[in-house]
Amino acid sequence: ETGVTQSPTHLIKTRGQQVTLRCSSQSGHNTVSWYQQALGQGPQFIFQYYREEENGRGNFPPRFSGLQFPNYSSELNVNALELDDSALYLCASSPLLQETQYFGPGTRLLVL
Amino acid sequence: SQQGEEDPQALSIQEGENATMNCSYKTSINNLQWYRQNSGRGLVHLILIRSNEREKHSGRLRVTLDTSKKSSSLLITASRAADTASYFCATDDEYGNKLVFGAGTILRVKS
Repeated sequence: ETGVTQSPTHLIKTRGQQVTLRCSSQSGHNTVSWYQQALGQGPQFIFQYYREEENGRGNFPPRFSGLQFPNYSSELNVNALELDDSALYLCASSPLLQETQYFGPGTRLLVL
Repeated sequence: SQQGEEDPQALSIQEGENATMNCSYKTSINNLQWYRQNSGRGLVHLILIRSNEREKHSGRLRVTLDTSKKSSSLLITASRAADTASYFCATDDEYGNKLVFGAGTILRVKS
C-alpha cells in the first residue's frame, strides 16, 4: 500500500458525458501526476500538478483538465467523453524532485 | 507514444526459475525505473537505476543499464507465484516531471 487513494474504483459513463476522478496524495507529497492506461498498454502521462499549478502536460486534448487543492489532493476532469477514453486512470504522488512516484490503485472508467 | 519497449511481451516460467525482462528506450535519460502491476491495479515501484550506474541489486531483483545501447534488463531470481504480474520500465523526460512507460512484460510464474 502506497498511501495514495483514488475514488471511485469503477465508473460507467456514456459518450458525451463529463467525469471527475479524485485522488488523495500520500502524506508529505506535494506533487501529483495523472496517467491513462489503456488495456494492454503502459500508462501514458496526462499532466502533473505542483502547488496547485500545472507543471507539465502530455499529449492530451484540453477536455482533460485537473485541479490540485491546498491539501495536495487532486481531481481529473474529462469533458465530452469519447469511447477511447475507456481506460484505467492512475494517480501518482511524489515529493518534488524525487523521481520515484507512488501510485494509487486506479479508477477504471468505461465509456459506452 | 511510448519511449520504451519491453521484451518479451509475455513470459511463463516455473516457480524457482529466474525471469529476465528487457527494456529498450529511445532518448537520453537521467534514470530508469522498474514498476510492477498486479491485475490491472496500481503500479508499485521496484527499483531505480541512474544513468551513471551499470548494475543495481534489491533483494531478488537485479537491474542492469547499458546507456550506449539504450537498454536495461530486470532479473528476478528464484521466482515465486506471487511474482506473477506485469512489469514496466519507465524513463524520465527531459524536464523530470513525468514517467514514460513501455508496454510492459506479462510474467506468469506457475507453481
